[in-house]
Amino acid sequence: QKEVEQNSGPLSVPEGAIASLNCTYSDRGSQSFFWYRQYSGKSPELIMFIYSNGDKEDGRFTAQLNKASQYVSLLIRDSQPSDSATYLCAVRGNYGQNFVFGPGTRLSVLP
Amino acid sequence: KAGVTQTPRYLIKTRGQQVTLSCSPISGHRSVSWYQQTPGQGLQFLFEYFSETQRNKGNFPGRFSGRQFSNSRSEMNVSTLELGDSALYLCASSLAHGGRGTDTQYFGPGTRLTVL
Repeated sequence: QKEVEQNSGPLSVPEGAIASLNCTYSDRGSQSFFWYRQYSGKSPELIMFIYSNGDKEDGRFTAQLNKASQYVSLLIRDSQPSDSATYLCAVRGNYGQNFVFGPGTRLSVLP
Repeated sequence: KAGVTQTPRYLIKTRGQQVTLSCSPISGHRSVSWYQQTPGQGLQFLFEYFSETQRNKGNFPGRFSGRQFSNSRSEMNVSTLELGDSALYLCASSLAHGGRGTDTQYFGPGTRLTVL
């Protein structure tokens, strides 16, 4: 059973701070890693994906992947109250396999 | 380019009935995946269709079924509804033509199903 784990939160950070969201996965053969944001009552929206070890930056967001440690994280710089949402980590094994989602981490950015 | 669309957006059914939900993927996307989301269980994978064939299947009973048409539109069906089937049903589409990033899934708005 492939598993993806995240701290459920809530994770509270002050406005302007860096929010750090973590995700671990059980399948060492996993190839693709995704972060989604889901506002209450809405569907998940893609933030970014990462395939290779290291960092990938997109605006205020940075994804970090460490395959040896089976760990992927998302950093949100200059957090805004509008970033308050649930953040879902998704992992896919080999091409053609289905995504496995973590339970999500609820982030609250306090003004 | 239009996003993923799902119909209907809201549905109320009673136990024992059956329901069909529809999903139209982003134009050019060949893969459609279905998920069930509940507060307690999170986002659970139901199945994935690719080129009209079921490519992956999650751990749901046979009451849950789906299909995909030649235009990539997909439907899922739930027969003999139970109270526990009340959930948000999400579909997601991806290009899925093998290149990096083409497996990225984009979600529709979901169908909120309530079973009374």
